[in-house]
Amino acid sequence: QSVLTQPPSASGTPGQRVTISCSGSSSNIGNNPVNWYQQLPGTAPKLLIYNNNQRPSGVPDRFSGSKSGTSASLAISGLQSEDEADYYCSAWDDSLNAWVFGGGTKLTVL
Amino acid sequence: QVQLQESGPGLVRPSQTLSLTCTVSGDSISSNSYYWTWIRQSAGKGLEWIGRMYINGGTNYNPSLKSRVTISLDTSKNQFSLRLSSVTAADTALYYCASLQLERRAFDSWGQGTLVTVSS
Repeated sequence: QSVLTQPPSASGTPGQRVTISCSGSSSNIGNNPVNWYQQLPGTAPKLLIYNNNQRPSGVPDRFSGSKSGTSASLAISGLQSEDEADYYCSAWDDSLNAWVFGGGTKLTVL
Repeated sequence: QVQLQESGPGLVRPSQTLSLTCTVSGDSISSNSYYWTWIRQSAGKGLEWIGRMYINGGTNYNPSLKSRVTISLDTSKNQFSLRLSSVTAADTALYYCASLQLERRAFDSWGQGTLVTVSS
C-alpha cells in the first residue's frame, strides 16, 4: 500500500487531454512540493515535473502539474502515442522522514 | 547533469547481504548539490525509496528497511554503495541509484537499474 494514492490506470485517444491524480496527507503533499516521473516501458524513471509545476528542460509543455492542499495532478494535453508509460508522483514525508511514491498510473493511448 | 551506473551481483542467497555500487560521472560525488540515493522497484510494482546519503555523512533510510540498510560514499572512486543485509525473496527487485538534486528537491538523474534476484 503506497503512501500516495494514484489511480492504477488512465487512458485517452491521441490529441485528448488526460489528468492523473495523486492524493496524500498533510505530512507529505500538504507540506512539501510534488514531483512527477515518467517511466517508459523497460527504462528507468525520468523526472517530468518538479516543485509541483516546473518542467526540466526538454520536457514538452504538453505536460503540466498542479497542487492544491493534499492533492496534486499531472495533466497531459495533445496526447501522443509516445506518452504511453507509467507515471509516478512523489514527495518528502515529514512524519516518516522518507521520500514516498504513489503506486503509479499506467497510461494507455487508445 | 550527472550520469549514474549501477553494478553488482545479480543473484544473492537468502539471509546474505546484497551489495551494489553506483559509479557517478559528470560531477563529483563530493558536490554539495546532491543527495546520493537508492530506489528499488519490484516486478510489476511501484517505486520504493531505500535511502540517501549526503557528502557530510548524513543519511536517511526508509523506516521499513532501516535496520538492514547501509549507504556509503567512496570519494576516491566517485562511487556510492548500498548494503542490504539478511535478504529474503521479498528483496528481489530492480535497484536504481539516483541523484537527488537539492535545488530542485527531485531525483533528476537515474541509473539504468540492475536486477537483483534473491534465491537459493
